[in-house]
Amino acid sequence: GDSVTQMEGPVTLSEEAFLTINCTYTATGYPSLFWYVQYPGEGLQLLLKATKADDKGSNKGFEATYRKETTSFHLEKGSVQVSDSAVYFCALYNGGGAQKLVFGQGTRLTINP
Amino acid sequence: DTGVSQNPRHKITKRGQNVTFRCDPISEHNRLYWYRQTLGQGPEFLTYFQNEAQLEKSRLLSDRFSAERPKGSFSTLEIQRTEQGDSAMYLCATHGGANRNEQFFGPGTRLTVL
Repeated sequence: GDSVTQMEGPVTLSEEAFLTINCTYTATGYPSLFWYVQYPGEGLQLLLKATKADDKGSNKGFEATYRKETTSFHLEKGSVQVSDSAVYFCALYNGGGAQKLVFGQGTRLTINP
Repeated sequence: DTGVSQNPRHKITKRGQNVTFRCDPISEHNRLYWYRQTLGQGPEFLTYFQNEAQLEKSRLLSDRFSAERPKGSFSTLEIQRTEQGDSAMYLCATHGGANRNEQFFGPGTRLTVL
């Protein structure tokens, strides 16, 4: 079945550092790909998405490019802030049937001032 | 605030008791999903509704779990004879309308079974 694998966490960076969180997927067909973020005490929020190969999703300085050849959707940000501290989830949606989201295990990010 | 609300936000119960959670979706969204998230893991699909019809259930949803969505509006998830392994965050999500790829999540109900 479909699956998503994220890099192991937790990740701790200093403010203004460059961020990469790796995400790879296994799926049949052409899934849509997402990054969700969960801030402390809050629900999941959609951060960005890409619906076809080579699409780049971007939001709040974060970017991710849908790479079909490497089945990847790595999340990047050039200069992180303390307020970016959260848990980040990569997910895919493969249409058909339930059209449910399949999530990775999440990566906890902590940014120190 | 995504527009999806869940109640209660927290529930502590003793093993063997029954619990019920409620999700109120964005009104124009016809699809409603339940997910379960255990500590340190990503959400896992439990079940979903298209309007009032429950169309798919995960193998994770044992016979002790039941979900309803009367009249295609709010939904309830009931767990009977709770077990300690049921302790988790239960998330509701909805989608519909023009953007069929995006699901909007509620804040979740955190269940602790003692």
